Amino acid sequence: QITLKESGPTLVKPTQTLTLTCTFSGFSLSTSGVGVGWIRQPPGKALEWLALIYWNDDKRYSPSLKSRLTITKDTSKNQVVLTMTNMDPVDTATYYCAHVAAPWGYFDYWGQGTLVTVSS
Amino acid sequence: AIWMTQSPSLLSASTGDRVTISCRMSQGISSYLAWYQQKPGKAPELLIYAASTLQSGVPSRFSGSGSGTDFTLTISCLQSEDFATYYCQQYYSFPYTFGQGTKLEIK
Repeated sequence: QITLKESGPTLVKPTQTLTLTCTFSGFSLSTSGVGVGWIRQPPGKALEWLALIYWNDDKRYSPSLKSRLTITKDTSKNQVVLTMTNMDPVDTATYYCAHVAAPWGYFDYWGQGTLVTVSS
Repeated sequence: AIWMTQSPSLLSASTGDRVTISCRMSQGISSYLAWYQQKPGKAPELLIYAASTLQSGVPSRFSGSGSGTDFTLTISCLQSEDFATYYCQQYYSFPYTFGQGTKLEIK
């Protein structure tokens, strides 16, 4: 049974760095073909893919946010961490992590999401 | 990047109706398309992948079709639990992209 859960601050100030952790169970990021992605959703708006990391440490980023994003994994802890620098109020959103059905790229299991508000 | 046009953005229907949602790509993506359902306050759930393959546990009233640039999600007989927002997603190439969503509401 695959589960994922996001954790991190609910409120960050403009210009600060956001660090979100995805803790998962039911699979291992050391297994060939496995990946974990991050997707966000501003209130009332559509989903936006942010980043993805694979079992072999291959990393992919949204071009529009690439300069601000870093995705890493800790296989021993079953965690994936996303950092986003220079936060702005427009980054207010629910952030989801999700299991990637590799070698394909659809997200078959999702965390519950965590709402991050950017405000001074 | 591959751009997606999902339509309609709002769809009003009644229980028992048959409805279709369209997703059109800016370039061909073979069958690398997924459909998700999202209910208020909840994470999206995968309905269909590879354009037409039903995810395990998804009712058979959901179906997907299409390839290349034009795709369709069909719900054959709407149930009360189907009123939600639906998104398409292409995974043919990075950056992965989602459609703008279709909110299916009760007429």
